[in-house]
Amino acid sequence: KAGVTQTPRYLIKTRGQQVTLSCSPISGHRSVSWYQQTPGQGLQFLFEYFSETQRNKGNFPGRFSGRQFSNSRSEMNVSTLELGDSALYLCASSLGQDYSPLHFGNGTRLTVT
Amino acid sequence: KQEVTQIPAALSVPEGENLVLNCSFTDSAIYNLQWFRQDPGKGLTSLLLIQSSQREQTSGRLNASLDKSSGRSTLYIAASQPGDSATYLCAVSSGSARQLTFGSGTQLTVLP
Repeated sequence: KAGVTQTPRYLIKTRGQQVTLSCSPISGHRSVSWYQQTPGQGLQFLFEYFSETQRNKGNFPGRFSGRQFSNSRSEMNVSTLELGDSALYLCASSLGQDYSPLHFGNGTRLTVT
Repeated sequence: KQEVTQIPAALSVPEGENLVLNCSFTDSAIYNLQWFRQDPGKGLTSLLLIQSSQREQTSGRLNASLDKSSGRSTLYIAASQPGDSATYLCAVSSGSARQLTFGSGTQLTVLP
């Protein structure tokens, strides 16, 4: 069974640009969550989608947005990039029930210069 | 607001030693607690998940315990190996069941 796939693995962008990251969940998983990992703040929850609807949202500015498609694939968009957005962005999928474990991808490393 | 603390931040042990990693959380109203490992530059690998109604889970050389009333969990690794070297992260789901709050991790080094 294929795991969670995130593309691309690495991205380099300049301040002010926007970026889109992609996540393909494990087959059959309907929930996709996004997390940001930085050395200073650790792992922080961005948002969760289930059946194309945002179900939960973390404490991030509106520059961070996402969406989920009917095949459960998800994209995350960051507009007007700032240097502080440099991070490892991790996607996790699950069946979406309260007690389902999360399965993480290998992440996208975003560097903003 | 849920807060998760992991102690120690770093640990170095000789191969073969048994070790314990600690995790504490402030809000005992959790759905579950997960232990993950992260290798450098990689994503998270789920090791064990303990539901709020459970006391422990075991997988191979790993055993995780949960004491909700005291807000603590431990991850016990038996007979450590150099391949166990990684950062171990504890995460709890509370409030929203699918929103994890992570600790800052314990960086484990097992010396051959």
